[in-house]
Amino acid sequence: EVQLVESGGGLVQPGGSRRLSCAASGFSVSSNYMSWVRQAPGKGLEWVSVINPGGSTYYADSVKGRFTISRHNSKNTLYLQMNSLRVEETAVYYCARVRSGGFDPWGQGTLVTVSS
Amino acid sequence: DIQMTQSPSSLSASVGDRVTITCQASHEISNYLNWYQQKPGKAPKLLIYDASNLETGVPSRFSGGGSGTNFTFTISSLQPEDIATYYCQKYDTLPMYTFGQGTKLEIK
Repeated sequence: EVQLVESGGGLVQPGGSRRLSCAASGFSVSSNYMSWVRQAPGKGLEWVSVINPGGSTYYADSVKGRFTISRHNSKNTLYLQMNSLRVEETAVYYCARVRSGGFDPWGQGTLVTVSS
Repeated sequence: DIQMTQSPSSLSASVGDRVTITCQASHEISNYLNWYQQKPGKAPKLLIYDASNLETGVPSRFSGGGSGTNFTFTISSLQPEDIATYYCQKYDTLPMYTFGQGTKLEIK
């Protein structure tokens, strides 16, 4: 079964850092485009970052220079390192495989709360 | 950057009604447009890819159309389980991905 399970969310102070993980099963993270998408409470979806099979990475302007997407091939796991976090980045963070330009499947999401 | 304008932002309809949501791109995007359903507390689910292709297992009452800058998402006969928020999403080869603002669908 194709599945993604995120972890690493929690409470972090403004300006702090957090690393999210996304463990994949049923397919290879390294062979696919993999992405992070976030959703602030009560708000819409916002694309954050993507990594392609070649290892090239791309970011939304809002997180460029502060967030880093990466993967560990043997662990079949995707990561998102988030630095200099802002209050407005409180959100549920989802990982997803990119297929035909769309996101499928999605993980269940992990909540990151940025607050003092 | 290409912007996506989705409308309406909310919609109330009766069971059995035909429901249509539109998504407009600020520039031409060919058919690089997907549609998602998100139920409360759940992750989004991909319903339609490349503007008009139904994902496997998605009921045939869902459909999508359009190309270029104007796209539609239609539920031919609304069912109670279709209550959700629906999003359009465009992609390109940069790669860059942009979601519409969402349409919250409620039963009248």
